[in-house]
Amino acid sequence: EADIYQTPRYLVIGTGKKITLECSQTMGHDKMYWYQQDPGMELHLIHYSYGVNSTEKGDLSSESTVSRIRTEHFPLTLESARPSHTSQYLCASSDTLTGTYGYTFGSGTRLTVV
Amino acid sequence: GNSVTQMEGPVTLSEEAFLTINCTYTATGYPSLFWYVQYPGEGLQLLLKATKADDKGSNKGFEATYRKETTSFHLEKGSVQVSDSAVYFCALSPLGGSNYKLTFGKGTLLTVNP
Repeated sequence: EADIYQTPRYLVIGTGKKITLECSQTMGHDKMYWYQQDPGMELHLIHYSYGVNSTEKGDLSSESTVSRIRTEHFPLTLESARPSHTSQYLCASSDTLTGTYGYTFGSGTRLTVV
Repeated sequence: GNSVTQMEGPVTLSEEAFLTINCTYTATGYPSLFWYVQYPGEGLQLLLKATKADDKGSNKGFEATYRKETTSFHLEKGSVQVSDSAVYFCALSPLGGSNYKLTFGKGTLLTVNP
């Protein structure tokens, strides 16, 4: 049973629209991450957060922004969607306080911009 | 820096065949090692992990042994099923310091035919 939730699962939206992808976790994990997954399956880290009010850009440059106002919530926003933003977006969290360094992933949001 | 190299796919097997997906890594110190599985249309799920040299992770008939001397963490299963068709990712997590980000391989697509 997933303890990290992403909504929506699928989204088709027109160019120029503002969108927010939601990610919430109920595990109290301090660290959260956003990945973009290309059709070739490779994962690209686009944003991460090590705690409330802490966000950093990842390894792949992205036009999206994130916020971390609450521990459990890590939304990703695109101010003006473009077809190049079409992709699968995966949210993850980890709890390093207990020494468990693996991630728990959400089911993903598949975004299509037309 | 840290890196993970895993066997390129796709890999196609018949049901009950033996599976090996190779994974080697480059890292300083003693990282934790993971295998994740991604079923079609889903996020990643942790399949197994090992946190120190010579540890063997196992789950659902899959096994991988942390080999520090060869910097490897190969995934094996003695008899695959159609339901094992998925993408498999090898990953490492550095221990200590302030870097909590997992480094993923590029993924290996496995298709098992009946």
